[in-house]
Amino acid sequence: GQQLNQSPQSMFIQEGEDVSMNCTSSSIFNTWLWYKQDPGEGPVLLIALYKAGELTSNGRLTAQFGITRKDSFLNISASIPSDVGIYFCAGRPYGQNFVFGPGTRLSVLP
Amino acid sequence: DTEVTQTPKHLVMGMTNKKSLKCEQHMGHRAMYWYKQKAKKPPELMFVYSYEKLSINESVPSRFSPECPNSSLLNLHLHALQPEDSALYLCASSQEGYGPYEQYFGPGTRLTVT
Repeated sequence: GQQLNQSPQSMFIQEGEDVSMNCTSSSIFNTWLWYKQDPGEGPVLLIALYKAGELTSNGRLTAQFGITRKDSFLNISASIPSDVGIYFCAGRPYGQNFVFGPGTRLSVLP
Repeated sequence: DTEVTQTPKHLVMGMTNKKSLKCEQHMGHRAMYWYKQKAKKPPELMFVYSYEKLSINESVPSRFSPECPNSSLLNLHLHALQPEDSALYLCASSQEGYGPYEQYFGPGTRLTVT
């Protein structure tokens, strides 16, 4: 079935640093969603993207829908300890259900 | 309000028990989903209801039985589960099933099968 590649798999950063992660697919998507999940909790929607080239911000988070419609990027600026968690991308091919990336595990060191 | 609620938060059941998981949303969404999530893995789609009708069953064993009593409620009935069914079960909803819409998750039910 459809699969997404998400990188990096994990990252350790210092508090205050910026973070970048991305998701790529072999198929064209019409929607990209970015989620954050804390242990034992459900994923929380951070940003939704609907158009190629779209750049959307939510506080310190910025995400972009790639021009090719096959990728998306999430940036976190000035990381803080509560940014720790697993970040999932999810993409929706036309007429199909969402496909999830394997996640990026973020650790923030004080 | 973008809230999806799930009950119970935690559930421990034996392999011969029958239990149900419940999910509710009041966003007027017409698509509702059940996902299963194992530790350190992404959510795995189980079922999709669109306009209260089952539209997707991702080859889920019959010991899992979904039900959508109305557009706001989604149940997952469990019977004769196996220990490997222990996982976080997530409910989600979106405006419709296939369009460019956001999908919101509930907090999940942590299920342990003994």
